[in-house]
Amino acid sequence: DGGITQSPKYLFRKEGQNVTLSCEQNLNHDAMYWYRQDPGQGLRLIYYSQIVNDFQKGDIAEGYSVSREKKESFPLTVTSAQKNPTAFYLCASQKGNGNTIYFGEGSWLTVV
Amino acid sequence: EDQVTQSPEALRLQEGESSSLNCSYTVSGLRGLFWYRQDPGKGPEFLFTLYSAGEEKEKERLKATLTKKESFLHITAPKPEDSATYLCAVQAGGYSTLTFGKGTMLLVSP
Repeated sequence: DGGITQSPKYLFRKEGQNVTLSCEQNLNHDAMYWYRQDPGQGLRLIYYSQIVNDFQKGDIAEGYSVSREKKESFPLTVTSAQKNPTAFYLCASQKGNGNTIYFGEGSWLTVV
Repeated sequence: EDQVTQSPEALRLQEGESSSLNCSYTVSGLRGLFWYRQDPGKGPEFLFTLYSAGEEKEKERLKATLTKKESFLHITAPKPEDSATYLCAVQAGGYSTLTFGKGTMLLVSP
């Protein structure tokens, strides 16, 4: 089955802890994205990558880090510097600019 | 700066009561306008991509249209299962990111 797989679905983070959200796609897409969704605020771009070993900051990159070592994978690390990390995180991928962008099922992160 | 504004924020319809959702946008060189449906706790599900003014696309009870300043998502004779949040997004030429509106929450009552 082709698609985008995010894991885990639910994650709890303690204060001062770094956590990593996984995103894998088997669509052979070049571009991958991470969005954060908060109630009433829509989707906000964290980081994106158009090609392996290259990525750019989005609108709210502070407190987050990413890597793109393989075309299929784009993990997001939420660091302890992110002061308000509780949110719904969405990974997406796209073949090229203007083509359809597909989303994963999302990951819920809660700070405890 | 690219901007997308969706209205209304929320819409309640009776089953069978047709209506339209609006997406107004400002973008430098539109590459594509996207409509998604999102159910609570799920990732957005792709509905349509529109590329140029005058273009229309249909899928079941949904029809999307595009002008140079806005897009409409028309819902004909909606059913309760059409209840969801509908998201609009634009992608500009030369960039690879999407700019999203805040969405319209649609509730269709039986």
